[in-house]
Amino acid sequence: DVKVTQSSRYLVKRTGEKVFLECVQDMDHENMFWYRQDPGLGLRLIYFSYDVKMKEKGDIPEGYSVSREKKERFSLILESASTNQTSMYLCASSLLSSRTNEKLFFGSGTQLSVL
Amino acid sequence: GESVGLHLPTLSVQEGDNSIINCAYSNSASDYFIWYKQESGKGPQFIIDIRSNMDKRQGQRVTVLLNKTVKHLSLQIAATQPGDSAVYFCAENAGGTSYGKLTFGQGTILTVHP
Repeated sequence: DVKVTQSSRYLVKRTGEKVFLECVQDMDHENMFWYRQDPGLGLRLIYFSYDVKMKEKGDIPEGYSVSREKKERFSLILESASTNQTSMYLCASSLLSSRTNEKLFFGSGTQLSVL
Repeated sequence: GESVGLHLPTLSVQEGDNSIINCAYSNSASDYFIWYKQESGKGPQFIIDIRSNMDKRQGQRVTVLLNKTVKHLSLQIAATQPGDSAVYFCAENAGGTSYGKLTFGQGTILTVHP
């Protein structure tokens, strides 16, 4: 089975701090994604990456950046955390986007609170 | 922009009943649809998917129906069990060079009463 591991289940940070959320997948997937999940808003795409060192903005990239130095690891960075970034963050991966393998595999999420 | 939406935010059923969760989509270019189940404290888990060249697909106790004419997607769960209680999300992929990006609906909370 595919395993997507997020390094922290819960995280509490202060406004203005630089925050790193780490995600690792063990199935050699090309694509990796960061979503945030808020009540009533569903999952919204922040950034995604389709290859090492490649990144693309999603629907809500403002205030975030990402890093993908190795295929298995995709990091989400909050340069200067703000209270409106308090949310559940979900990492996901998928095989190269062929027409037969599009489903995403998700990690368990990181609940980030910014005080 | 176009988005996926749900008709009902909550659904309560009795154990053993059949459940139907609905989803409306507006992007006519979407050619792949997927349902996820999310239990409390966990990430979304894949349930079933369907491509736009199909109108029905069945899995174990679940069926997805796609009506492209009215841009409607539904998930049917047969003989619903307490373990089915969760939030259910539909999602769509607009195809092309989207690199597998999925756009998610808001979610429906399914509660199954024993």
